[in-house]
Amino acid sequence: QKEVEQNSGPLSVPEGAIASLNCTYSDRGSQSFFWYRQYSGKSPELIMFIYSNGDKEDGRFTAQLNKASQYVSLLIRDSQPSDSATYLCAVNTGNQFYFGTGTSLTVIP
Amino acid sequence: DVKVTQSSRYLVKRTGEKVFLECVQDMDHENMFWYRQDPGLGLRLIYFSYDVKMKEKGDIPEGYSVSREKKERFSLILESASTNQTSMYLCASSQWTGWESEQFFGPGTRLTVL
Repeated sequence: QKEVEQNSGPLSVPEGAIASLNCTYSDRGSQSFFWYRQYSGKSPELIMFIYSNGDKEDGRFTAQLNKASQYVSLLIRDSQPSDSATYLCAVNTGNQFYFGTGTSLTVIP
Repeated sequence: DVKVTQSSRYLVKRTGEKVFLECVQDMDHENMFWYRQDPGLGLRLIYFSYDVKMKEKGDIPEGYSVSREKKERFSLILESASTNQTSMYLCASSQWTGWESEQFFGPGTRLTVL
């Protein structure tokens, strides 16, 4: 079982819609959770992190964490073509960082 | 802003050559990491370092070695490059504050081994 699982996609949404990206993790002791965006040919860049159960909002992005279900998600409201990228979920267990394989998102104009 | 730089964006080498990939960070971070990224396999940790002259093996260390002589610099060495080491190599750094720590990535080096 992988430490971090993501649906590889591709996920396609129309411009202006909400994109929902999901991630599950296996280590119940995981403390912090990160979402990275990676454009094709570029390196990952951090867009959000979340430590506590519930929602965390930053502009058009909302991260949701449910530690009981070992589930973290990223919602992108009012999706734009510039949001088209691969989104990596990462989990910090305190000892090590684990990355998912990423979900490819395409926003259709 | 944290800045992580890598010595080359693109590199082409021949089988059997010794290859050096350099990474430098300017934020006095304690921890540095080397990953490779391949389609469908995601990021895979090769080696990491929590301190100068200290190194730990990651998930796929075979065929690689590392060097950290100074805090800001972490080098990845391919002792004898092989075609299956063709990949995107990403360096990252973090200021270790336990579970609050996040990783910052360099721009990556796309290595092709012929």
